[in-house]
Amino acid sequence: ETGVTQTPRHLVMGMTNKKSLKCEQHLGHNAMYWYKQSAKKPLELMFVYSLEERVENNSVPSRFSPECPNSSHLFLHLHTLQPEDSALYLCASSQEAQRRYNEQFFGPGTRLTVL
Amino acid sequence: TQLLEQSPQFLSIQEGENLTVYCNSSSVFSSLQWYRQEPGEGPVLLVTVVTGGEVKKLKRLTFQFGDARKDSSLHITAAQTGDTGLYLCAGARGTDKLIFGTGTRLQVFP
Repeated sequence: ETGVTQTPRHLVMGMTNKKSLKCEQHLGHNAMYWYKQSAKKPLELMFVYSLEERVENNSVPSRFSPECPNSSHLFLHLHTLQPEDSALYLCASSQEAQRRYNEQFFGPGTRLTVL
Repeated sequence: TQLLEQSPQFLSIQEGENLTVYCNSSSVFSSLQWYRQEPGEGPVLLVTVVTGGEVKKLKRLTFQFGDARKDSSLHITAAQTGDTGLYLCAGARGTDKLIFGTGTRLQVFP
């Protein structure tokens, strides 16, 4: 595997379900990000992990819970979501030492539909 | 709130035509990036510009950073169907988070 991978690619869940999104980066980076991409809205940053510590939580509802067990893996745990949470969830990584430019490498995303 | 406005929002052209996409802000950025996102995929970094007035070329794509580092443009010469996608600009302010633009959706017809 190369680059940034995300699983699953598609997820349909009910409002009472609990599910998790997984992201893995194979680039040796030490910063990872979760973004939400909705139609007609700019990419929204949700969480940032740098050196496995959460450094940003962009006012995200508690029904979204991130986890970063090591620098290569990032999870987004979902529970009791709302239909308006349906979106493409993108994971990205970058190299902390190059944060001056903050060039990010994205995974293919998970298309989430909440019924 | 920092905002990066892109124009046009949508662009539909035929192969061989030229086009320019604009990315504008009232904020100064230390660097600006352009990404392209194809359907069903994540954004892919095309270029980073860091110096006011800088021009970078990537084959048929020309990127320019404004002198005041508040705006940028992307010019595509002789567009091809493979250029189809969502083009996103993103500004960085030092080590702060990236601010993404509103996006330009380009469709190139054969």
